[in-house]
Amino acid sequence: AQKVTQAQTEISVVEKEDVTLDCVYETRDTTYYLFWYKQPPSGELVFLIRRNSFDEQNEISGRYSWNFQKSTSSFNFTITASQVVDSAVYFCALSDPTSYGKLTFGQGTILTVHP
Amino acid sequence: GAGVSQSPSNKVTEKGKDVELRCDPISGHTALYWYRQSLGQGLEFLIYFQGNSAPDKSGLPSDRFSAERTGGSVSTLTIQRTQQEDSAVYLCASSLAPSGRGTGELFFGEGSRLTVL
Repeated sequence: AQKVTQAQTEISVVEKEDVTLDCVYETRDTTYYLFWYKQPPSGELVFLIRRNSFDEQNEISGRYSWNFQKSTSSFNFTITASQVVDSAVYFCALSDPTSYGKLTFGQGTILTVHP
Repeated sequence: GAGVSQSPSNKVTEKGKDVELRCDPISGHTALYWYRQSLGQGLEFLIYFQGNSAPDKSGLPSDRFSAERTGGSVSTLTIQRTQQEDSAVYLCASSLAPSGRGTGELFFGEGSRLTVL
């Protein structure tokens, strides 16, 4: 069975601080995808990134970066120089190999960025 | 509209009643998913449609839940004889293809909040 664990339930930071959201996953599949989604107060989940299990290169997109390590089954997400608009719930997710849209989500991390 | 549209946005019903939730996916998206978000269970996969193939119903929690997708577009999730534990936000998502070609992005709607009294 697949499982995603986001150990941090809530994180509170002050604007401009860096913050890392942890994600640990479990799967017996050799091929899978990992995702991060953002859920702002409006409620609509917004896609941030997809990572293939065969690609362990770290990725950077503006202030966002992701560290994928198969050896520790982790896919952590870092926001550099956080902003108030980053306040949201962030979900890490793992795909089913038969359908990459069939996701197992972590419990989510509530991030609050204070001015 | 350009995004995934869900209706109603809010639904309050009495225990035992049937409810229908509607999802209008992005035009051209062949894959459609229903998820449920509740405080106790988090985000859970319910059902998945791909083109004319038989749906993947493996996430439906009981036989009171069913869904259909007509004409490869609009989908309706039906909950019969609602129970209080069915209270949740029901999210619909669509994508271009099940394999998530390209970014693999699922486009989510804003959800239908169901409250069972």
